[in-house]
Amino acid sequence: QSVLSQPPSVSGAPGQTVTISCTGSSSNLGAGYGVQWYQQLPGTAPKLLIYANNNRPSGVSDRLSGSKSGTSASLAITGLQAEDEADYYCQSYDRTVSGSVFGGGTKVTVL
Amino acid sequence: EVQLVESGGGLVQPGRSLRLSCTASGFSFGDHSVSWVRQAPGKGLEWVGFIRRKSNGATADYAASVKGRFSISRDDSKSIAYLQMNSLKVEDTAFYYCARVMEGVVGIAVDYWGRGTLVTVSS
Repeated sequence: QSVLSQPPSVSGAPGQTVTISCTGSSSNLGAGYGVQWYQQLPGTAPKLLIYANNNRPSGVSDRLSGSKSGTSASLAITGLQAEDEADYYCQSYDRTVSGSVFGGGTKVTVL
Repeated sequence: EVQLVESGGGLVQPGRSLRLSCTASGFSFGDHSVSWVRQAPGKGLEWVGFIRRKSNGATADYAASVKGRFSISRDDSKSIAYLQMNSLKVEDTAFYYCARVMEGVVGIAVDYWGRGTLVTVSS
């Protein structure tokens, strides 16, 4: 059981918007720690998409956006494309664990 | 170009030890903490631990699942971070990634990852 909870899968048609949720607790997201989002394509290393809740590194598509409120965060992918098919993970810091924690991952399928 | 390359993985028997290396290039290695993350085949990401940069004491923290068995060290003169894994268990089988920590961002956020090295613990 992951400290951060994500839905196992989400899907959408090309061009649609999908949103992935990440639910934490008062010891991580609710304690004010920021959330990061990573994309992992099959057989490759994870790639940073969003850091500190809603910041995109240079080179990351503006179709991706992040938000956080209280103990929850979300990643939105607009204008869904076939290349967005991947696993997505949220990550934060947990003061009870005294370390980094990941969500269980969400598989995005483009219908 | 920032690069991180893991090495040292392989097949090892339960109870034995293995040391992984993470060789960095393209940035000032000593200015960054380094995190280790693993992923069992077909499973999600699991944080293993991280080592702070020297200016923050070069101390390390670990996940409960590896604390007391794994240790992380660094050699800034060689731009290498190490993950020493002792008393290995079958459940330690995974791809092991090293990643660069984003300094100034709270929460052990990492921005660049290596390609990973596979550790298989089996008799």
